[in-house]
Amino acid sequence: EAQVTQNPRYLITVTGKKLTVTCSQNMNHEYMSWYRQDPGLGLRQIYYSMNVEATDKGDVPEGYKVSRKEKRNFPLILESPSPNQTSLYFCASSWGRNQPQHFGDGTRLSIL
Amino acid sequence: GDSVTQMEGPVTLSEEAFLTINCTYTATGYPSLFWYVQYPGEGLQLLLKATKADDKGSNKGFEATYRKETTSFHLEKGSVQVSDSAVYFCALKSLTSGTYKYIFGTGTRLKVLA
Repeated sequence: EAQVTQNPRYLITVTGKKLTVTCSQNMNHEYMSWYRQDPGLGLRQIYYSMNVEATDKGDVPEGYKVSRKEKRNFPLILESPSPNQTSLYFCASSWGRNQPQHFGDGTRLSIL
Repeated sequence: GDSVTQMEGPVTLSEEAFLTINCTYTATGYPSLFWYVQYPGEGLQLLLKATKADDKGSNKGFEATYRKETTSFHLEKGSVQVSDSAVYFCALKSLTSGTYKYIFGTGTRLKVLA
């Protein structure tokens, strides 16, 4: 079954404690991206990757890092989380110019 | 820069009512346009898409037509059901400087009452 898998689904942690949200897709998609969803703001792109070892900033990259060492995985790293990063995060992947993105089920992060 | 504007919600309708959710966009070139739906506690799912002017996307009774002259992609359904209650996102995908860019609207919450 084609899917995008994010882990964890829920996490409550404290300010400054490094965390990683994993994202894996089994569709051999080249394009992957991370979004955060906040009330009234819709989805905002954090980082995206066109292919292995090719990543770039989206609209709200501050406080986040990503890596793309292999095609299927695109982890999101918060080196020193802060409360303003409390949000619902989605990973997505796609292939081809006119193809839509496939989304994971989301990760709800709460930074206290 | 590119942008997507969709009507604010929530939209509350009775079952079998006609639905329109407005979406307009600003983009250079010829973007692809999408509607996604998000059910409670879930990720976004593609509802329909259109890749060029005058294309009509349709799925599950929903449809939207890519109108380049009015830069719009309004979502419509003739008769909504309670199960259509969800948040709907309009989005575009454009190619700028060799990079694909996805832009989402802020979402419109639909609530359908029995």
